[in-house]
Amino acid sequence: NAGVTQTPKFRVLKTGQSMTLLCAQDMNHEYMYWYRQDPGMGLRLIHYSVGEGTTAKGEVPDGYNVSRLKKQNFLLGLESAAPSQTSVYFCASSTGLGNTQYFGPGTRLTVL
Amino acid sequence: KQEVTQIPAALSVPEGENLVLNCSFTDSAIYNLQWFRQDPGKGLTSLLLIQSSQREQTSGRLNASLDKSSGRSTLYIAASQPGDSATYLCAVRPKDKLSFGAGTTVTVRA
Repeated sequence: NAGVTQTPKFRVLKTGQSMTLLCAQDMNHEYMYWYRQDPGMGLRLIHYSVGEGTTAKGEVPDGYNVSRLKKQNFLLGLESAAPSQTSVYFCASSTGLGNTQYFGPGTRLTVL
Repeated sequence: KQEVTQIPAALSVPEGENLVLNCSFTDSAIYNLQWFRQDPGKGLTSLLLIQSSQREQTSGRLNASLDKSSGRSTLYIAASQPGDSATYLCAVRPKDKLSFGAGTTVTVRA
């Protein structure tokens, strides 16, 4: 049972490049989330999904897009990366909004 | 907007000492509060979840209390061990999303 996995683990981009982060969960969870974590700050919610085919904005959605075409996958896209998007990105999933969230190991992204 | 604060940002204690970690939040209208552990370079692991109707939750050496009216939660870790060294984050759920504190980084010295 892998839980929540994230691909890739590390990535370096140049300003203006695009990329997609992949999150996969094998727990049949309805809810999935993307967070970013910056030094000295708590995790901030970027986007989330309450089920296959649905997405919603979180606290800091600008510059990111997401898709949930399959229940087990939640993709986070950066269309034109900026240095301000340098961060560690975490994906999480849960059975419900108020229930325990299970986190992936994170993706460390650097934008030069 | 819900603000979650964890003080201190870092803590160092000798092995065997009890740990007391604090979390405060500005809006008492919450559904639940969670405590997480994060090891360096890793994701978060849920430790305890306290519903708004509960006063405390216990799991092994961990005990978390919740005083919703005063906007405070405390995580107690009894008889600390070097393996308890990590960053501990609290998160509150006001409505549909979690709001996280920045965490307290704990070092337990052998």
